[in-house]
Amino acid sequence: DSGVTQTPKHLITATGQRVTLRCSPRSGDLSVYWYQQSLDQGLQFLIQYYNGEERAKGNILERFSAQQFPDLHSELNLSSLELGDSALYFCASSVDTRGRGYTFGSGTRLTVV
Amino acid sequence: EDQVTQSPEALRLQEGESSSLNCSYTVSGLRGLFWYRQDPGKGPEFLFTLYSAGEEKEKERLKATLTKKESFLHITAPKPEDSATYLCAVQAGDDKIIFGKGTRLHILP
Repeated sequence: DSGVTQTPKHLITATGQRVTLRCSPRSGDLSVYWYQQSLDQGLQFLIQYYNGEERAKGNILERFSAQQFPDLHSELNLSSLELGDSALYFCASSVDTRGRGYTFGSGTRLTVV
Repeated sequence: EDQVTQSPEALRLQEGESSSLNCSYTVSGLRGLFWYRQDPGKGPEFLFTLYSAGEEKEKERLKATLTKKESFLHITAPKPEDSATYLCAVQAGDDKIIFGKGTRLHILP
């Protein structure tokens, strides 16, 4: 157990729907990062939060949004889902913004049908 | 544009056959370079962080080195349990962390 908790582990939904993925960082970690991993693209950085504030943004679609709450857990919202959004979504956390002690959760496998 | 390229894409070795994986990068203001191991269907597992050229880190059969343009992950006398995908990532000056596509390593008994 890495200490980073992601729920749900698996999610199957239809095109056009909206889903929310949840991440609880490791105790003491203030930074949360979201990644999308598909077979052909590898790990794609989506967005980073630090202590509730957006810190860095990667290749995140406008249909996707995220936030980090006061208790430091984070949610990734995916809307108007398309077949191509099917992927593994990983959350990682670290103590600070330098990525020290960067630890990944076990991921949420999203299947859009 | 910040970029990370890993080679080879896949590598098959006999047990005990040492080799090296390469990670070349172009990034504005390198803040750190990371190596991870990922098993199928699981999250990446942290191996090393390197911060400056000339730095080396070791862990069991693995040794990571860093120059100004690339990093190597040396695997000495590998065992079948070392089979996994090895990922390299860099953190740029704007805090973005960029991953390479990985090297799939398969160690044959």
